[in-house]
Amino acid sequence: GAVVSQHPSWVICKSGTSVKIECRSLDFQATTMFWYRQFPKQSLMLMATSNEGSKATYEQGVEKDKFLINHASLTLSTLTVTSAHPEDSSFYICSARGSGTVGVETQYFGPGTRLLVL
Amino acid sequence: GEDVEQSLFLSVREGDSSVINCTYTDSSSTYLYWYKQEPGAGLQLLTYIFSNMDMKQDQRLTVLLNKKDKHLSLRIADTQTGDSAIYFCAEMEGYALNFGKGTSLLVTP
Repeated sequence: GAVVSQHPSWVICKSGTSVKIECRSLDFQATTMFWYRQFPKQSLMLMATSNEGSKATYEQGVEKDKFLINHASLTLSTLTVTSAHPEDSSFYICSARGSGTVGVETQYFGPGTRLLVL
Repeated sequence: GEDVEQSLFLSVREGDSSVINCTYTDSSSTYLYWYKQEPGAGLQLLTYIFSNMDMKQDQRLTVLLNKKDKHLSLRIADTQTGDSAIYFCAEMEGYALNFGKGTSLLVTP
């Protein structure tokens, strides 16, 4: 149990295009999902917290118009990188909050999406 | 959040024990976690400990918590080459997790 999927697993796009990344909790409902960004050999940086049915809460320094988050259902959140530029190239990881199999509140992570903007 | 500190690199021989250390910041954190990340993959929850516990053992994994010093450690017994990965400790801060920078564990034959 407590599986989180992401799609696509990797994407290459041209500068100026928009890219949508999906995050799904497969076997549990997640009222809260999180989006992280990870640079090579770095820790995870929280970008935003996504709550089902309401607006996302963005961390300081993260542009909400650049990184659009939609949490339309209890099992799906999407991150759209709008007008992507090479500096947006990164590894994007989502997580979903739930009790899962461990019985306590924790976050279960997706496998990540590697974005390369040319 | 403030920094969660970890040593960046650890190398051990196969069969030896590994100990990864972490210092966290928020004394009110209720849960502390250890995650494992293999190359190009997401994070896998390894284990967690509740803040009122001193120790938790789960098969080859032992977590020690020193709440006074805000020090957390993860011991992996009989380390195998498949344990080579990056290990992150994390504290719960509100609903979000505050991660350390990760410890790269290299297991050599």
